[in-house]
Amino acid sequence: DVKVTQSSRYLVKRTGEKVFLECVQDMDHENMFWYRQDPGLGLRLIYFSYDVKMKEKGDIPEGYSVSREKKERFSLILESASTNQTSMYLCASSPEGPSTDTQYFGPGTRLTVL
Amino acid sequence: AQKVTQAQTEISVVEKEDVTLDCVYETRDTTYYLFWYKQPPSGELVFLIRRNSFDEQNEISGRYSWNFQKSTSSFNFTITASQVVDSAVYFCALSGDDRGSTLGRLYFGRGTQLTVWP
Repeated sequence: DVKVTQSSRYLVKRTGEKVFLECVQDMDHENMFWYRQDPGLGLRLIYFSYDVKMKEKGDIPEGYSVSREKKERFSLILESASTNQTSMYLCASSPEGPSTDTQYFGPGTRLTVL
Repeated sequence: AQKVTQAQTEISVVEKEDVTLDCVYETRDTTYYLFWYKQPPSGELVFLIRRNSFDEQNEISGRYSWNFQKSTSSFNFTITASQVVDSAVYFCALSGDDRGSTLGRLYFGRGTQLTVWP
């Protein structure tokens, strides 16, 4: 079974803080993704990575950065958290090859920025 | 560009009713895949099905069935004899990348909240 874990289920931070959201997968997947989910907007892609140290912007990268130093770990960084970044953050991974588009998701981190 | 539309924002049914969740997609790709995911209250998206654009056969898995119609660009999902445990948000998604990357990006609809009452 694919296992994607996220460091926290719930997180409360203050405006201006630097926030790290960690994601780890144990299936040796090449591709990893960060989404945010907001009511009525569905899932929106923030960043993705298809290899160690590689990253690509998704649809809403502003205010975020990412880091992928090891294959199994993909971190999302909010350099200076703002209240409009209060959201559910979902990490996913997928393998290379014929099933490269089948993504497996972690349990999500519900972030509140006060 | 890829686009997925789930016109039903919320659906409520009573247990044992059948329910169909609609999904309409847009793509210029000739090869693509369609997906359904389930998000229960716990939050984790659970993969349900992946369907190749060349395979229009309907698929059945227990109480779940999927109707793929290329002519109408639809990939609808039916739950037969619904149960309270089916209550969740259901997302339809489409693969593809209009920037030519080989990475399997997914484009999600906005989801349909299904509530099944006892």
